[in-house]
Amino acid sequence: GAGVSQTPSNKVTEKGKYVELRCDPISGHTALYWYRQSLGQGPEFLIYFQGTGAADDSGLPNDRFFAVRPEGSVSTLKIQRTERGDSAVYLCASSSYRGETQYFGPGTRLLVL
Amino acid sequence: AQSVTQLDSQVPVFEEAPVELRCNYSSSVSVYLFWYVQYPNQGLQLLLKYLSGSTLVKGINGFEAEFNKSQTSFHLRKPSVHISDTAEYFCAVSAQGGSEKLVFGKGTKLTVNP
Repeated sequence: GAGVSQTPSNKVTEKGKYVELRCDPISGHTALYWYRQSLGQGPEFLIYFQGTGAADDSGLPNDRFFAVRPEGSVSTLKIQRTERGDSAVYLCASSSYRGETQYFGPGTRLLVL
Repeated sequence: AQSVTQLDSQVPVFEEAPVELRCNYSSSVSVYLFWYVQYPNQGLQLLLKYLSGSTLVKGINGFEAEFNKSQTSFHLRKPSVHISDTAEYFCAVSAQGGSEKLVFGKGTKLTVNP
């Protein structure tokens, strides 16, 4: 079956602009996670959704970052007033339930100029 | 909070040689343990996981790992590697009973040479 998909695969933007990154989880998966992977580092947790609600947003670095999952399926990560330090690969993962194996998408590579 | 240390950033080996990728973790609560692999230009793929039970865990592609609670380690091993095993390997933990968010190490780049 289809895996986790993320769009766009690459995004180049200018400092100060607003960006949206989309994640389509595996059909039927209720848990959805966002991670950020900077160059030479392992992925770092940003936010976790169980259904439509953000159950754990402790990893969001500041209030410029926001994520939604209005219908409990597709999720959008939104970054306002982008900074050069936001440049990274943003990964999305989903699982059938909290605690089950997380399946990762290919990521969106964000470059802020 | 949890943390993961992968002791080697790069490991070069020859084809058909054995390999061990080291992982140590720190946590004040019980954890689940994972190894993920990232092939070039691909997403993260689960190799194996330890949730409970036998401390020796077998995964895909001939990899295995052993959970050692006293040494807080979860080292990954393969008795004979192939060129196709060249990839980045990440060790990760999650706290039992929490949101199950994964805390990753910085990764180990395994390069298998002919």
